[in-house]
This record gives sequence, structure tokens and C-alpha cells, in this order.
Amino acid sequence: EPEVTQTPSHQVTQMGQEVILRCVPISNHLYFYWYRQILGQKVEFLVSFYNNEISEKSEIFDDQFSVERPDGSNFTLKIRSTKLEDSAMYFCASGTSGSVSDTQYFGPGTRLTVL
Amino acid sequence: AQSVTQLDSHVSVSEGTPVLLRCNYSSSYSPSLFWYVQHPNKGLQLLLKYTSAATLVKGINGFEAEFKKSETSFHLTKPSAHMSDAAEYFCVVSDRGTGFQKLVFGTGTRLLVSP
Repeated sequence: EPEVTQTPSHQVTQMGQEVILRCVPISNHLYFYWYRQILGQKVEFLVSFYNNEISEKSEIFDDQFSVERPDGSNFTLKIRSTKLEDSAMYFCASGTSGSVSDTQYFGPGTRLTVL
Repeated sequence: AQSVTQLDSHVSVSEGTPVLLRCNYSSSYSPSLFWYVQHPNKGLQLLLKYTSAATLVKGINGFEAEFKKSETSFHLTKPSAHMSDAAEYFCVVSDRGTGFQKLVFGTGTRLLVSP
């Protein structure tokens, strides 16, 4: 069964450094998402992406964040200058239609630790 | 805006006894509702979803949920718990957002299963 994959599973970085989190969505999906879960808190929406454009971003997704689909398979989340409060589990998801009834399939997550 | 409330942060059951995880939703239109499960160190796996078809929805691993509009509830049940059911369960509502779909998560319920 196709699945969403994410690398790395765990990333440790120093405050102020840039990190890139990578995701490979399910191959025939067209809608891509990033969510994050700070330890002990809710899973929160960050951004949705379709047709090589951001379709919506949350207030969390400030100028330090960017997303890109650099080729036909990868979907990346870049944090330009990490802060301590960026430490969280980051989940990538993909879906086929983007409608409210669509199912989003999630990857296993990348745990980001900012020191 | 759509929201969900999971009424219990922890639920403890014995193996072989029924499971009930409670969720109430708030929605300004007919909602699409999901239950996802997260096993330790794993990603988010879809258990089941409701999208305005049958109000009783059957999912994987013997779980089911009933949509009750009059009570604005979408509780998750299983007749007989198994040790492998121990995990975190998230009730999720789908929001239209300004772009495409975005998921709004509840705070999660940790299910503990004892022998």
C-alpha cells in the first residue's frame, strides 16, 4: 500500500540554523500539507500546497518558513533560522482532491529538536 | 470555524472490555469527521471517516463511530479492547479554510489497555 515517507526521523539543530524537512507524498496525490505537534499540545495546521503554490498558511507559518516541491516527488519544509519554540514533531500529509471530505494520509513525522 | 473537543485525555480499559472515546464537534455546516490513531513513534493512521453518508461508520481493527447531529457527537467505540489498541486517538474535523481542506485536531485521548 502506498504511504507518505519523511526524512529524517529525528533532526537535532542549533538555534539559528536552517533545517530542511523532507517528505515524499503518495505518488498520485496533488494536495500537500504540513502540520506540527509541539510536545503535549494539539496537532496544528501549518500550510497547504497545490499546483506549486501555497493555498493557505496558518499564523504560525511566518517568513521563517517556506515550502517547495523541487521535483516530481519531494515536498520540503524549510525553516530558515530555527528558534527553540520550533522544537516539535512535523507531519507531512497528502490527499487527492483537497475537498473537505478528502482523506489526508500522514507520514511518520520528523522530530525536530532545537538546542 | 470548525472545532472538536475530546472529553477525556486518558481512558483506561482492561483487555476484552469495551472502548468508548468521546468527541464533540462544532461546525457551521455539515461536517466531515475523522478518527486518527497514533501508536508510539509512529505516524497518524486513519481509523475511519464520516462524510454525510451512513451515520454509523465502520473503520479498521473493529472500531466504529456514530455521527449524532442532535448531540453534535462522534464517539469512537470498539466492543472488545486488545492490547495492541493502546495508542493516542485524535478526533478531527475538516475545515474548508481559505484554500482547500485543512484538518482541525482535538487534543487527543490516550487509550491504556491493561491485561
